[in-house]
Amino acid sequence: GNSVTQMEGPVTLSEEAFLTINCTYTATGYPSLFWYVQYPGEGLQLLLKATKADDKGSNKGFEATYRKETTSFHLEKGSVQVSDSAVYFCALTQNTGGFKTIFGAGTRLFVKA
Amino acid sequence: KAGVTQTPRYLIKTRGQQVTLSCSPISGHRSVSWYQQTPGQGLQFLFEYFSETQRNKGNFPGRFSGRQFSNSRSEMNVSTLELGDSALYLCASSRGQQETQYFGPGTRLLVL
Repeated sequence: GNSVTQMEGPVTLSEEAFLTINCTYTATGYPSLFWYVQYPGEGLQLLLKATKADDKGSNKGFEATYRKETTSFHLEKGSVQVSDSAVYFCALTQNTGGFKTIFGAGTRLFVKA
Repeated sequence: KAGVTQTPRYLIKTRGQQVTLSCSPISGHRSVSWYQQTPGQGLQFLFEYFSETQRNKGNFPGRFSGRQFSNSRSEMNVSTLELGDSALYLCASSRGQQETQYFGPGTRLLVL
């Protein structure tokens, strides 16, 4: 079945450090890929998405590229801020006669000032 | 435009009881999905409804059921509650297939 694997956390970085959160997936066909973020005390919200191979999603300085050859969708940011502290979820959505979203386990990011 | 709303926000039940959770999607969104979030299992897909029809279902026992009304509002029911059903239940809506999902704040269920 479909699955999403993302690096375990927590990840602790200093402000202005470079961030990478790895995400790989297993799926048949051509899923859409997403990164969602859950800030402390808030609901889940979309960070970025990519719907086909080689697409790059970007938002708020975060980027991820849909790599079909490596089945990956790694999240990167060049310079993190304290306000980026949150839990990040990689997810895929596939049309199986209705759609179904599979989430990774989530990676908690702490950014220190 | 109002976001996805879920009621109630918090709920305490005892084992063996049943519970109904409600979700109102964003206006114009016809697809509603439900998820269970727990520290141990993370976010797990329960089911998805589109135009009052369940199109997809996750790997949960039959105690978990749902429905969608003609105005796209959805309800989720859990019967014969177990301690392990304690979780945050999230609802998400979207316009259609593989569109961006917008999540509600969730209903936190505690089963004692």
